[in-house]
Amino acid sequence: GQQVMQIPQYQHVQEGEDFTTYCNSSTTLSNIQWYKQRPGGHPVFLIQLVKSGEVKKQKRLTFQFGEAKKNSSLHITATQTTDVGTYFCASMEYGNKLVFGAGTILRVKS
Amino acid sequence: DAGVTQSPTHLIKTRGQHVTLRCSPISGHKSVSWYQQVLGQGPQFIFQYYEKEERGRGNFPDRFSARQFPNYSSELNVNALLLGDSALYLCASRPGSGFSYNEQFFGPGTRLTVL
Repeated sequence: GQQVMQIPQYQHVQEGEDFTTYCNSSTTLSNIQWYKQRPGGHPVFLIQLVKSGEVKKQKRLTFQFGEAKKNSSLHITATQTTDVGTYFCASMEYGNKLVFGAGTILRVKS
Repeated sequence: DAGVTQSPTHLIKTRGQHVTLRCSPISGHKSVSWYQQVLGQGPQFIFQYYEKEERGRGNFPDRFSARQFPNYSSELNVNALLLGDSALYLCASRPGSGFSYNEQFFGPGTRLTVL
């Protein structure tokens, strides 16, 4: 089955700085989803991308799907303390299996 | 509207025992999936059920089984517990099956500790 690799594993930023997490696959992905999990919480769906080169924005969050559909990124502009958590990328593969990356832990210093 | 609910919230078992975890999906959702999340890792897919039928299975041993009831609630059973089964078990629901219904709504999870 496919695997999605996420980097970095951990990032600690000053409040107001930008943050980016990357997701990569060796195989072409049919779609990519992003989830946020707050400490002690459960994953919450943020967005799904399905088209090559797709870019979507949600306020300070920008999501991209690569032209080859093998990579994706989540960029947060001017981080806030409320952005703290672990960000996961995931892809739905054949057999209704949602495959998650290992996640990027974001910590924000105020 | 109520979200996905899971019970119990926490559970402590000893090696060799069995456990049953329960999940109630969002009203109107017919698909339920189960995930195991070990501390520090992403959720790992265990099963997906839709309309009471198994539609997907992850790479877990036969000690793991599940079923879905006519009201779309679901149970996850794990037999002969091992220390490595200690994890957060997440249930997620969605309206249907297939790529048109990809957004997963997760419940709060059941924290299982095996001693």
